[in-house]
Amino acid sequence: QPVLTQSSSASASLGSSVKLTCTLSSGHSNYIIAWHQQQPGKAPRYLMKLEGSGSYNKGSGVPDRFSGSSSGADRYLTISNLQFEDEADYYCETWDSNTRVFGGGAKLTVL
Amino acid sequence: EVQLLESGGGLVQPGGSLRLSCAASGFTFRNYAMSWVRQAPGKGLEWVSLISGSGGGTYYAGSVRGRFTISRDNSRNTLYLQMNSLRAEDTAVYFCAKLIDATVTGDWGQGTLVTVSS
Repeated sequence: QPVLTQSSSASASLGSSVKLTCTLSSGHSNYIIAWHQQQPGKAPRYLMKLEGSGSYNKGSGVPDRFSGSSSGADRYLTISNLQFEDEADYYCETWDSNTRVFGGGAKLTVL
Repeated sequence: EVQLLESGGGLVQPGGSLRLSCAASGFTFRNYAMSWVRQAPGKGLEWVSLISGSGGGTYYAGSVRGRFTISRDNSRNTLYLQMNSLRAEDTAVYFCAKLIDATVTGDWGQGTLVTVSS
């Protein structure tokens, strides 16, 4: 079963860019993941599905400021032109057979 | 527009039971695998259970296997989670989720809070 590792927190200034990382465990470097955003007090929201090739498909209504990329076992979520509403917890998710796995989440603070 | 509306949460004593429901609309329910995901207070997301579109396949996290049962009624567009032998550590917000092609979560409900306490 894959394990997803995320840094617990990140911070960046309003209007800047930030790159969040989700790392797949050994032997699972080619897995597809999803990124989800959870704003304070709200349900999670699907952002995108991201392949090992770096190709991604975003959910409906997700701003162009959100993009994905990949390198080896690392899957990235880049948020450009940070806004205060981007302050949230970000989770990655993958699956193996009929099990789903979430990363521990990363709390993004917009300064 | 996809809508997932959970209900059935509440306060229950340890060892008790509760059944959660998720009313789905905006898509052809029977064509999609569905899952339940929970979030304990102040913690991250934890996958709980998954059911295939037909209902013929059901899968569970080790922490709930043997105590929880996932089911669906495709005629009513409703997903269920029967929770028995509840423990304090089952206290969480439970989210209903629609999967993308039986892969990752593509849509989330708003969640329902389950509190297990005496």
